[in-house]
Amino acid sequence: AQSVTQLDSHVSVSEGTPVLLRCNYSSSYSPSLFWYVQHPNKGLQLLLKYTSAATLVKGINGFEAEFKKSETSFHLTKPSAHMSDAAEYFCVVSGKQAGTALIFGKGTTLSVSS
Amino acid sequence: ETGVTQSPTHLIKTRGQQVTLRCSSQSGHNTVSWYQQALGQGPQFIFQYYREEENGRGNFPPRFSGLQFPNYSSELNVNALELDDSALYLCASSLDLAGGTGELFFGEGSRLTVL
Repeated sequence: AQSVTQLDSHVSVSEGTPVLLRCNYSSSYSPSLFWYVQHPNKGLQLLLKYTSAATLVKGINGFEAEFKKSETSFHLTKPSAHMSDAAEYFCVVSGKQAGTALIFGKGTTLSVSS
Repeated sequence: ETGVTQSPTHLIKTRGQQVTLRCSSQSGHNTVSWYQQALGQGPQFIFQYYREEENGRGNFPPRFSGLQFPNYSSELNVNALELDDSALYLCASSLDLAGGTGELFFGEGSRLTVL
């Protein structure tokens, strides 16, 4: 069975400061891992994905995440937050075989203040 | 290239009624997945359709059913609505069962309220 746990339901940062959204996963085999973002009244958008290549993954809008197998973690970071980053972020795990369903965490709400 | 479109965007039903939600997949995509997102929760997988056949199902009762048409658009049908069915229903399309290693393209969802 696979699962993800997002360790913070809400993170607040100031514009220009670093962002850290934490995610731990559980999987009985080597997983694929994703971060998706959901802006209000918008569809989910893929930020980045890890599928077994480089453990440090770069995504869109300056976000990156590092896959750490020993810690079963896949934390999302950004060096400098922008107001437009305020949204709901989901950590997602999946098996590698085609057609596997995505399993979402409960989400972390990121608030950015000026 | 058009994205994933869903209709209706909002609807209100009463308990016991039936509802049909529709999804047009992104151009060139032959796989459609449906997810239910309850308020304050992450999306949960309902089922996936690949080339008009159901190809995987989550932990949802049989009153949740679906169809995929030759043009790869899809419908989600829910019978005997219950209050707990109130949620945002998300449709996602992909190419060739890409869900495990590829990217899903999500629509903006249909928000269902059951009274």
